[in-house]
Amino acid sequence: DAKTTQPPSMDCAEGRAANLPCNHSTISGNEYVYWYRQIHSQGPQYIIHGLKNNETNEMASLIITEDRKSSTLILPHATLRDTAVYYCILNAGNNRKLIWGLGTSLAVNP
Amino acid sequence: EAQVTQNPRYLITVTGKKLTVTCSQNMNHEYMSWYRQDPGLGLRQIYYSMNVEVTDKGDVPEGYKVSRKEKRNFPLILESPSPNQTSLYFCASSLGRPLGYGYTFGSGTRLTVV
Repeated sequence: DAKTTQPPSMDCAEGRAANLPCNHSTISGNEYVYWYRQIHSQGPQYIIHGLKNNETNEMASLIITEDRKSSTLILPHATLRDTAVYYCILNAGNNRKLIWGLGTSLAVNP
Repeated sequence: EAQVTQNPRYLITVTGKKLTVTCSQNMNHEYMSWYRQDPGLGLRQIYYSMNVEVTDKGDVPEGYKVSRKEKRNFPLILESPSPNQTSLYFCASSLGRPLGYGYTFGSGTRLTVV
């Protein structure tokens, strides 16, 4: 079973920030939080990951709560091309297995 | 361009006819893995390989074989396909270091077994 909980679907207006939540209350100390997205039936695409500090890259920002029991992926200015299923996954750095849930289907509307 | 290449993209076959789905990566990644994706079940790992000549079972290995004779290639073999193996398949690769590097996925192979 997936160790994360995400809402099944969300909507966002084009140009606005999309904030995608993820709960991972049983996270272990050595587990990273990863985010991937899958556009239609293409291969999943890596977005960002973090351990305890907030992270930002050219695609998104990742905010992890201080107790590490939840996180939020932020797409600062969502576009129609950001419509996808977003997966929040936990993975220890030396464990190559990913356990995938069903993710959040994000619809960016014009 | 750094990528994972799967072939074929689409395949329709008949029950019992052996097939191979190829996967190749050009990033010198140590780790490679196969997943299948089914509606309502998400992505499930079939097999993975930590390095050349090292393979291990994932969550749903029954009916599949793999080999890792070279670092860049990781073919998925279905010796006797059955209709319940109709699915969307993805190959993925990553560096083997323990610092949480992201995975690169192929574009997928949609397999239909009739």
